[in-house]
Amino acid sequence: DADVTQTPRNRITKTGKRIMLECSQTKGHDRMYWYRQDPGLGLRLIYYSFDVKDINKGEISDGYSVSRQAQAKFSLSLESAIPNQTALYFCATRGAGKNQPQHFGDGTRLSIL
Amino acid sequence: AQTVTQSQPEMSVQEAETVTLSCTYDTSENNYYLFWYKQPPSRQMILVIRQEAYKQQNATENRFSVNFQKAAKSFSLKISDSQLGDTAMYFCAFMNLQGAQKLVFGQGTRLTINP
Repeated sequence: DADVTQTPRNRITKTGKRIMLECSQTKGHDRMYWYRQDPGLGLRLIYYSFDVKDINKGEISDGYSVSRQAQAKFSLSLESAIPNQTALYFCATRGAGKNQPQHFGDGTRLSIL
Repeated sequence: AQTVTQSQPEMSVQEAETVTLSCTYDTSENNYYLFWYKQPPSRQMILVIRQEAYKQQNATENRFSVNFQKAAKSFSLKISDSQLGDTAMYFCAFMNLQGAQKLVFGQGTRLTINP
């Protein structure tokens, strides 16, 4: 089983719909992150959390919200989806040690029509 | 704010050749990490190699090695004896050890290994 699991893997939806992307991890890490990947732009940080109920904005948080109700789960919501939120979304986790890298899920490809 | 620049959008080499991917970054911090991630067509983000800024010795992982030039803020990746499975997007990333400890990514280099 994957250490960082994202669901769904792919999603197509319509403008204005509410969407939730789920992330769960079995690594026991405190730190969790949501990134967005667009072609030619690399990955950019949406939100991050260092503990349960700890929520921090990243560089592109507008239009998104997150929830961290348990250590192992970090969900990302689009309250009213718009076409320019079409992208590949990644969840990542990281342990507390300074030399710890981030571990990524397999991504959710979201298309908004 | 930190920035990461990869100036080579695409590269292509023959199997078994050596290839070097370039990365430069900008930061005022002294304590940080640098990473190379690989993203194959399966879209997973796979850690290739990491380097701590305080370590002068360049990191090596099997066929992958880096040339870390701290004063020049340069962090290139060398792939020796390239294999078809090395075909992927490669991202250079910076992580500050203060604050969010987030990754700041470059734009990526699409590497193709030809048979």
